[in-house]
Amino acid sequence: GNSVTQMEGPVTLSEEAFLTINCTYTATGYPSLFWYVQYPGEGLQLLLKATKADDKGSNKGFEATYRKETTSFHLEKGSVQVSDSAVYFCAPLDSNYQLIWGAGTKLIIKP
Amino acid sequence: ETGVTQTPRHLVMGMTNKKSLKCEQHLGHNAMYWYKQSAKKPLELMFVYSLEERVENNSVPSRFSPECPNSSHLFLHLHTLQPEDSALYLCASSQDLAGQGSPQHFGDGTRLSIL
Repeated sequence: GNSVTQMEGPVTLSEEAFLTINCTYTATGYPSLFWYVQYPGEGLQLLLKATKADDKGSNKGFEATYRKETTSFHLEKGSVQVSDSAVYFCAPLDSNYQLIWGAGTKLIIKP
Repeated sequence: ETGVTQTPRHLVMGMTNKKSLKCEQHLGHNAMYWYKQSAKKPLELMFVYSLEERVENNSVPSRFSPECPNSSHLFLHLHTLQPEDSALYLCASSQDLAGQGSPQHFGDGTRLSIL
């Protein structure tokens, strides 16, 4: 069935470090891909998306490239800040137009 | 973002109580969703409404009863819940059913605790 695999957290980094959160998925066809972020005490917010192969989604310094050949959509940021501490969710869209959710990756940034 | 508002933010109830969760969206969206978020588990899609019609019910126990009186409001009626129902309940909306151009917008959730 459709599924998504993310790094288990928490991922702990120092401020200004480089971030990568891996995401791989299995889904029918070539789904749209999303990254959502959940800050403490809040709901989920759309961070970025990519709708076709080789597309790069970007927002707030975060980037992710749709890699069809490896069915991956890894999230990267060149220099993280304390305010980036949150839980990050990779979510492909399945053929029934429902998002496939993983457990998320908790990111902790230390000053 | 305050486009999707959920009330209450926190709810504590006994197993025999009846309560309702409310969700309101001010975005002019046509689709609304209820999710359950439990610690260290993937989000679970519970119900989906499109143009006030239920289009998805993912084997949710009958003690959860949704209601969508119009495209801006969504309720989740709760009765005789179990301790394992304690979780964060998230409401979301999208312009149309989730697609390439319809990302979901989430509320801040209701933290439900069953005694």
